[in-house]
Amino acid sequence: GAVVSQHPSRVICKSGTSVKIECRSLDFQATTMFWYRQFPKQSLMLMATSNEGSKATYEQGVEKDKFLINHASLTLSTLTVTSAHPEDSSFYICSARDLGFSDEKLFFGSGTQLSVL
Amino acid sequence: SQQGEEDPQALSIQEGENATMNCSYKTSINNLQWYRQNSGRGLVHLILIRSNEREKHSGRLRVTLDTSKKSSSLLITASRAADTASYFCATDGLAAGNKLTFGGGTRVLVKP
Repeated sequence: GAVVSQHPSRVICKSGTSVKIECRSLDFQATTMFWYRQFPKQSLMLMATSNEGSKATYEQGVEKDKFLINHASLTLSTLTVTSAHPEDSSFYICSARDLGFSDEKLFFGSGTQLSVL
Repeated sequence: SQQGEEDPQALSIQEGENATMNCSYKTSINNLQWYRQNSGRGLVHLILIRSNEREKHSGRLRVTLDTSKKSSSLLITASRAADTASYFCATDGLAAGNKLTFGGGTRVLVKP
């Protein structure tokens, strides 16, 4: 099956710094990738849809200047948490669809645990 | 907002028993999917059922869909300790623009 690689898996940073998370589709091209946020023992909340070559589409309530998304190639999307604060601490997961598959399932990265001190 | 609500929130069973969890949703859907998540990891797709299907099987998994009640169930038969994980339903709504909306999840613990 399709593989989505997400890095780093865990990051600890000081308040006020920026953190970049990478999401790569390893064996397929992804014109669209999805970024989710998950709090402990809770569901996934869609933050934004990353579109290759164009601006990301953000969900209501998600600050686009806070969570910068870049999808510069068909295999890479990045999420940058700018000026991170402790309330940004969370588990961030990316996903993508392999259009070579006939159904609409998502392939997920392994997630990034962000801890802001 | 969450489309799906799952029940129960947590489930503890003995190895060999069956595990059943339910998902209810609010709006019309194209399909409903079930995913599994091990602690601290990404999600893995388990099974997809389309809106015109009523039941689907994959190995030890059985999924049902009742669009009149806007609900789905996931049954794991003959559970194993390795089935311990959180299970999420996700709906691909007609008006969702190709986005999946996830339910709250059921945390399943299978005791050896």
